[in-house]
Amino acid sequence: AQKVTQAQTEISVVEKEDVTLDCVYETRDTTYYLFWYKQPPSGELVFLIRRNSFDEQNEISGRYSWNFQKSTSSFNFTITASQVVDSAVYFCALSERTSYDKVIFGPGTSLSVIP
Amino acid sequence: ETGVTQTPRHLVMGMTNKKSLKCEQHLGHNAMYWYKQSAKKPLELMFVYNFKEQTENNSVPSRFSPECPNSSHLFLHLHTLQPEDSALYLCASSQDMRQGNQPQHFGDGTRLSIL
Repeated sequence: AQKVTQAQTEISVVEKEDVTLDCVYETRDTTYYLFWYKQPPSGELVFLIRRNSFDEQNEISGRYSWNFQKSTSSFNFTITASQVVDSAVYFCALSERTSYDKVIFGPGTSLSVIP
Repeated sequence: ETGVTQTPRHLVMGMTNKKSLKCEQHLGHNAMYWYKQSAKKPLELMFVYNFKEQTENNSVPSRFSPECPNSSHLFLHLHTLQPEDSALYLCASSQDMRQGNQPQHFGDGTRLSIL
C-alpha cells in the first residue's frame, strides 16, 4: 500500500482558477514531517513547504496555501488564481522518525494551467 | 541557480558502455541522495550517503555503483545497463539525513537513454 497517495494524476485548469491538490498519507509514527515539492519541466524538484506532525496550523504563502488535517491524514495544497507558471508536477512527501533517510514521495500530480 | 549541479544533463549510451553521472552540491550539506524517476512512476530512492557513509541501498542492481568521495560530491557509475534503466536520475542533498525535517535540494537531473 502506498504511504503517500496523490489520487489526482493530472489536473487542467484555466488561468485564474483556484485548484487544490490532494495528498493523503499513512504512518504509524507520531513524529513525522510532510513536504510539498514542485517539479517544473526543467526537471529540478523545488522545495515548497515543510510541516511537522505537531503543527496543524494552516499556512499561506502568497497564492499558495496548505491545509494539514491529522484527523484525515491529509495535507492538501491549494493554488489561488492559478498562473501558467504554476504548470508543473507537484509531489507530496513524508519523512518518518523511524526512517528519516527514506523520504517517501507520492506519485505526483501533473498540473496544467491553460491561458 | 541551483545549489546542486548535475552533469551531464543528457546522456545516451549503449548497453555495453561504462559512464558516470556526477553530482556536486555547494550548500554545505552532509547528506546526498540518488533517485531514479521513470515515466509514470513515483520517485525511486536508490542510494543515500550521510557524512560520506552509505546508509541506504534500496535494492539497486549492481550495474549501478555509487561513490561519495566527500560530502560535496556524489557519483553514479554505470555499466552494462538495460533499456529499462532509461530515466531521469536526480541527485539531492540535505543538511543531515538524521534530522527528518530537513528539506532536500535537488539538481536538474541527468536524462539517461539506453540504446
